[in-house]
Amino acid sequence: DGGITQSPKYLFRKEGQNVTLSCEQNLNHDAMYWYRQDPGQGLRLIYYSQIVNDFQKGDIAEGYSVSREKKESFPLTVTSAQKNPTAFYLCASSRDSPNYGYTFGSGTRLTVV
Amino acid sequence: AQSVTQLDSHVSVSEGTPVLLRCNYSSSYSPSLFWYVQHPNKGLQLLLKYTSAATLVKGINGFEAEFKKSETSFHLTKPSAHMSDAAEYFCVVSDHLDTGRRALTFGSGTRLQVQP
Repeated sequence: DGGITQSPKYLFRKEGQNVTLSCEQNLNHDAMYWYRQDPGQGLRLIYYSQIVNDFQKGDIAEGYSVSREKKESFPLTVTSAQKNPTAFYLCASSRDSPNYGYTFGSGTRLTVV
Repeated sequence: AQSVTQLDSHVSVSEGTPVLLRCNYSSSYSPSLFWYVQHPNKGLQLLLKYTSAATLVKGINGFEAEFKKSETSFHLTKPSAHMSDAAEYFCVVSDHLDTGRRALTFGSGTRLQVQP
């Protein structure tokens, strides 16, 4: 079955470390997205990518970086510059237009220890 | 400017009674609108979507929503709540013609509690 896979499910980071969250899809979707979810704030867009080797900043890109070297993969790196990284991170994909709606992964919960 | 507003952060209903989750949007164009559901510590699942066809949209699990342009609303309803409906619900808009950004914008969510 096609789907979108995020790993790991839980991740713990020490202060000052960079960590990378994985997102892989086998839906042949062109577009991929990263959102951050905090209680009571809905989902906020971090980065998105419409095609390979191209991506755009969302509303809260500071302290994060991404790459899109393959159509299937869109990893997110949370850098030490992100001051409050503890959150639930969701990856999604869609056909070329978001009007088709997203397919979501099951999320990664990142905690700073 | 907020392009989608969910009017209630929490809604509590009794099992078997109707559900109403309210959503208003703002857009200069005719947007695409969605409702997603999220169960605890899970990803989001699409309930239904409106993309300028019929204004009454039927979704999964007995949910439906009506697009009302004059009221700029897209409220989610279900005639009879089930315990398994307890979750968080997000109203979502595709507003790239307003924002120039080809991504969905999410409301802040409504947590639905279902009492036995």
